[in-house]
Amino acid sequence: QKEVEQNSGPLSVPEGAIASLNCTYSDRVSQSFFWYRQYSGKSPELIMSIYSNGDKEDGRFTAQLNKASQYVSLLIRDSQPSDSATYLCAVNMDPGANSKLTFGKGITLSVRP
Amino acid sequence: NAGVTQTPKFQVLKTGQSMTLQCAQDMNHNSMYWYRQDPGMGLRLIYYSASEGTTDKGEVPNGYNVSRLNKREFSLRLESAAPSQTSVYFCASSVEPNQPQHFGDGTRLSIL
Repeated sequence: QKEVEQNSGPLSVPEGAIASLNCTYSDRVSQSFFWYRQYSGKSPELIMSIYSNGDKEDGRFTAQLNKASQYVSLLIRDSQPSDSATYLCAVNMDPGANSKLTFGKGITLSVRP
Repeated sequence: NAGVTQTPKFQVLKTGQSMTLQCAQDMNHNSMYWYRQDPGMGLRLIYYSASEGTTDKGEVPNGYNVSRLNKREFSLRLESAAPSQTSVYFCASSVEPNQPQHFGDGTRLSIL
């Protein structure tokens, strides 16, 4: 069964620290990887997409992809209390005409003032 | 600039009642999805429609039906609601199946 795992939570970091969120996936043919942020009681919001190995930076956020090791991570630099949320990793593990995303269960991040 | 609109936002049903959750997107997306989210379970795909005229089962389709009414609208029907279907339901859409998905605000459904 194709799986996306986010096991390292909940996570608590002090304000200003780097938060590191990790995600592993089971299917080597996966090609598209996404990070979503979900505030309590709200819907998931796309914050990062990554498609090739290496790092992709967007402001305080960096997504890192390593297809050989089958993991994707999200780094949040200078963490702020407003970053406190659940972060969902999503992977497209069916790169065909009717492919769809598989979501991990999420990691809850708390940033302490 | 509505994006993905879900109605209703809240609903309480009695066991055995039926209802339809509505979803409409104004982004000209081809693909649409229905998920449920339960504590500790993450997002689970119920049904999806890769393009207008097609629908496919996801991970947890039992007890649900869907209709892709046109390119904009994708509805989810509970024919005979059960307490196990108490959940938050999200509709999402994407340009194509392997592209990022955009979510509606959700429907919070309680079945007594």
